[in-house]
Amino acid sequence: QKEVEQNSGPLSVPEGAIASLNCTYSDRGSQSFFWYRQYSGKSPELIMFIYSNGDKEDGRFTAQLNKASQYVSLLIRDSQPSDSATYLCAVSNSGYALNFGKGTSLLVTP
Amino acid sequence: EAGVVQSPRYKIIEKKQPVAFWCNPISGHNTLYWYLQNLGQGPELLIRYENEEAVDDSQLPKDRFSAERLKGVDSTLKIQPAELGDSAVYLCASSLGGQREQFFGPGTRLTVL
Repeated sequence: QKEVEQNSGPLSVPEGAIASLNCTYSDRGSQSFFWYRQYSGKSPELIMFIYSNGDKEDGRFTAQLNKASQYVSLLIRDSQPSDSATYLCAVSNSGYALNFGKGTSLLVTP
Repeated sequence: EAGVVQSPRYKIIEKKQPVAFWCNPISGHNTLYWYLQNLGQGPELLIRYENEEAVDDSQLPKDRFSAERLKGVDSTLKIQPAELGDSAVYLCASSLGGQREQFFGPGTRLTVL
């Protein structure tokens, strides 16, 4: 069974702080890594993807990938209450079906 | 650009009844996916289409679930007969080929009574 593990949370951070979300995966053949944001009652929304080791920045979001450690993370700078949602880590081998974690619930408090 | 369209958004049925969900992917996206999401869980793949061909249906419970994508564009997922345990959100996603980012539709929330 190919596992994607996330801490379910809730992770609570104050407004303006950095939120750090973590994900580990078991399949060493994984090649593509995605972060989705899901608000309650809504469908997953793609916010970041990363294919190579290192960091990838997009606005307030930074995805970090370490294939040797089988670890991918998402940093959200200057967290806003509107960032409160569940963040799903998804991993793909050869870019086909996504294997999702259960998600981490993030709460940004004013 | 229009996103992935799904209908209906909500469906309530009695157990043993049939139900069907429809999905229209983003224009030009040849890869279409059906996922199932239970409360508190991440989506799980049911079936993947490359154009009109089902290339991965290993997780589809074929005794009661069926799917089709006849012209390589929109797709229908059917359950017959529905069971109580089928209550979940059914998500459709599409991508520009199997190795690209996937975009999800709004989902269909199914409740089986």
